[in-house]
Amino acid sequence: GQNIDQPTEMTATEGAIVQINCTYQTSGFNGLFWYQQHAGEAPTFLSYNVLDGLEEKGRFSSFLSRSKGYSYLLLKELQMKDSASYLCAVMDSNYQLIWGAGTKLIIKP
Amino acid sequence: DAGITQSPRYKITETGRQVTLMCHQTWSHSYMFWYRQDLGHGLRLIYYSAAADITDKGEVPDGYVVSRSKTENFPLTLESATRSQTSVYFCASSEAAEPNEQFFGPGTRLTVL
Repeated sequence: GQNIDQPTEMTATEGAIVQINCTYQTSGFNGLFWYQQHAGEAPTFLSYNVLDGLEEKGRFSSFLSRSKGYSYLLLKELQMKDSASYLCAVMDSNYQLIWGAGTKLIIKP
Repeated sequence: DAGITQSPRYKITETGRQVTLMCHQTWSHSYMFWYRQDLGHGLRLIYYSAAADITDKGEVPDGYVVSRSKTENFPLTLESATRSQTSVYFCASSEAAEPNEQFFGPGTRLTVL
């Protein structure tokens, strides 16, 4: 079956760095997406990885290892507004997104 | 305004009633999707559409019907609502099926009593 695993909840301190992990097992792989979702709002796109390695975009970076079925989202210089859920999703061989349940990130002052 | 909108934003209905959730996008994106989001689960695909008059089932299609007579609209109908269909429903669109960012509407919170 297809499976995406990510931690349910994480807590970090304002100004610090946090890494959110995602492991996956899917039928085929056409890339991995990270989305941010604030409570009561729609998911919004953060990053896309299809090749191994690190993609950096401002304070956010995303890493992919296809051989290990593993990705992480790295958030630097945390701000209170980064409190949200972070959703990992893999595009399978049918170009459908398979979603993890999301990681709720709590930022403390 | 450009973007993707959903209506209603909140809906309370009773078991057995028919409910239609509306989705409208102004980008002329080819692909549109309906997801449901429940606590403890990831987003689950209900139906998707590659173009007007082309629709296909996703992971959890039972109890739902879709149509797409125009590119910009993609309504979702619950033919006879059940309590298990209480959820938050998101509509999304993208330019193509190939790896492409999906843009999400604001969601409809549906409660079935």
